Amino acid sequence: DAGVIQSPRHEVTEMGQEVTLRCKPISGHDYLFWYRQTMMRGLELLIYFNNNVPIDDSGMPEDRFSAKMPNASFSTLKIQPSEPRDSAVYFCASSLFPDGEAFFGQGTRLTVV
Amino acid sequence: SQQGEEDPQALSIQEGENATMNCSYKTSINNLQWYRQNSGRGLVHLILIRSNEREKHSGRLRVTLDTSKKSSSLLITASRAADTASYFCASSGSARQLTFGSGTQLTVLP
Repeated sequence: DAGVIQSPRHEVTEMGQEVTLRCKPISGHDYLFWYRQTMMRGLELLIYFNNNVPIDDSGMPEDRFSAKMPNASFSTLKIQPSEPRDSAVYFCASSLFPDGEAFFGQGTRLTVV
Repeated sequence: SQQGEEDPQALSIQEGENATMNCSYKTSINNLQWYRQNSGRGLVHLILIRSNEREKHSGRLRVTLDTSKKSSSLLITASRAADTASYFCASSGSARQLTFGSGTQLTVLP
């Protein structure tokens, strides 16, 4: 398996634009996580899915953020409209168990100007 | 605040020396994990220690867990320049979700 694949690796967008981040988890992993990493707040869990169903989205900062997992091999994190304070590195991770070894993607570095 | 907090925030050592990083957490855990993150990359899992274990080894890594003090330590022996990275602990509690600490930036000087 190629590991967790995220796209794009880098995204620069203007404030107010919609941003969509994509993730392909490792095949067979039932859990998928979206994290955000910033210098100020560290690594924060935004939302996680179990068998494509969102289980806990309490970390999603506000209604501008939404995540979907239409099937076991694909998930998206959408920000609409984007704001400069959304600038961060967004990671997707997958695992066999909710608190087992997590496999991270390379991340998407988002810059909102 | 985050469940796990590492110290020190930054550590600089010479190649060949040992590096010790500490992690404290606040509530009971199921397991505690350590991850490494190289600059510009994703996190990579290093080791998992369960709440009923006290010590675990993997190659040059040694992890200890003291549940009475709610703390863990990661020891890297005979460090190499390639060990330069950020190291994070992540704890799993009753909610069975991983909560990551703020990390220790390790620099190994050649």
